[in-house]
Amino acid sequence: AQKVTQAQTEISVVEKEDVTLDCVYETRDTTYYLFWYKQPPSGELVFLIRRNSFDEQNEISGRYSWNFQKSTSSFNFTITASQVVDSAVYFCALLNQAGTALIFGKGTTLSVSS
Amino acid sequence: NAGVTQTPKFRILKIGQSMTLQCTQDMNHNYMYWYRQDPGMGLKLIYYSVGAGITDKGEVPNGYNVSRSTTEDFPLRLELAAPSQTSVYFCASRTGTSGIRAFFGPGTRLTVL
Repeated sequence: AQKVTQAQTEISVVEKEDVTLDCVYETRDTTYYLFWYKQPPSGELVFLIRRNSFDEQNEISGRYSWNFQKSTSSFNFTITASQVVDSAVYFCALLNQAGTALIFGKGTTLSVSS
Repeated sequence: NAGVTQTPKFRILKIGQSMTLQCTQDMNHNYMYWYRQDPGMGLKLIYYSVGAGITDKGEVPNGYNVSRSTTEDFPLRLELAAPSQTSVYFCASRTGTSGIRAFFGPGTRLTVL
């Protein structure tokens, strides 16, 4: 069975702090895909990044960076120099090889105060 | 392109009433999904479809039905609404190409009283 665990329910930081959101996944597929989505207070789901199971190269995009480690089944997300606009719920998700199951974690609520 | 559209945006139902949540995508995507999001929880998969005429149950299908007569439309039917179905419902679609991300609709907020 597939499972995504986001152990951090809520995180509160002050602006300009760095923050890392953890994601641990379980799957028996040899090929799978991992995603991060952001849900701001307005409620829509905003796609942030996709990573293939066979591509462990980490990525940096502006203030965002992602650390994928297959050995520990983790796909962590870091925001550098956080801003108030980063306040949202962040979801990690796992897509199976067949594409039939896109499973979400319970989300981490990030609150950034000024 | 409109992407994934959902109607209505908000709805209040009485216990026992029925309704259909509409979902349409204009991207010619094969895969479509219905999720529900309860407060403080992640998204749980209700039903999915891999193409017209093909649907299957997800994690929480009880109390819901779906159909997929066309590529574009994937309606979700609630037959006998219950308070436990109070939630925000999201529809999503993606191509069949491996690993391509899902596009989500704006959601429907449903309250059952």
